Amino acid sequence: DAGVTQSPTHLIKTRGQQVTLRCSPKSGHDTVSWYQQALGQGPQFIFQYYEEEERQRGNFPDRFSGHQFPNYSSELNVNALLLGDSALYLCASSLFGNGDYGYTFGSGTRLTVV
Amino acid sequence: GNSVTQMEGPVTLSEEAFLTINCTYTATGYPSLFWYVQYPGEGLQLLLKATKADDKGSNKGFEATYRKETTSFHLEKGSVQVSDSAVYFCALSSNRDDKIIFGKGTRLHILP
Repeated sequence: DAGVTQSPTHLIKTRGQQVTLRCSPKSGHDTVSWYQQALGQGPQFIFQYYEEEERQRGNFPDRFSGHQFPNYSSELNVNALLLGDSALYLCASSLFGNGDYGYTFGSGTRLTVV
Repeated sequence: GNSVTQMEGPVTLSEEAFLTINCTYTATGYPSLFWYVQYPGEGLQLLLKATKADDKGSNKGFEATYRKETTSFHLEKGSVQVSDSAVYFCALSSNRDDKIIFGKGTRLHILP
């Protein structure tokens, strides 16, 4: 049973560019959440998608946007990249309404902005 | 708003020592509480959880008890191993909005 799959694993971008990160949830899960983990910090909630809609959003600017597809996979897009966007981006999947059972996390995409 | 505070690291122990990592939380209502572990270069893995007061979560020799009166969820292990070296995150999930909020993490080093 495949867990959460994220691609790419590593990425280097230049300031001002745009980036798209991808996530396939664990089989049977229908909800995808994205987190940003800066070096030495805990993961920060970006947003959550369910039924192809953004259900919740953390304290991130509109440069961060996302999408969920009918097969439950998801993309995270970041426009006008800043050096401060360098981080590990984690995707987590769950079954909607069952967050108290915990999420399943992917291994993340390491984004470096230069 | 909801938040999690955990002891700062790094924590360095010798193999077979007793481990405690403190975690306290602030939340409205009755959150679920978690400990996640992150090994070098990897994502987060759920270590254990507790969904109501006085519940004890346990896994791989680690334990934590949901203490509503002290709003705490301290992680303990009786005898640590070198393979336990990792970063440990305390987290909560509010049943109102289903998202997980993490503490800043505690890095644990176990010396052989």
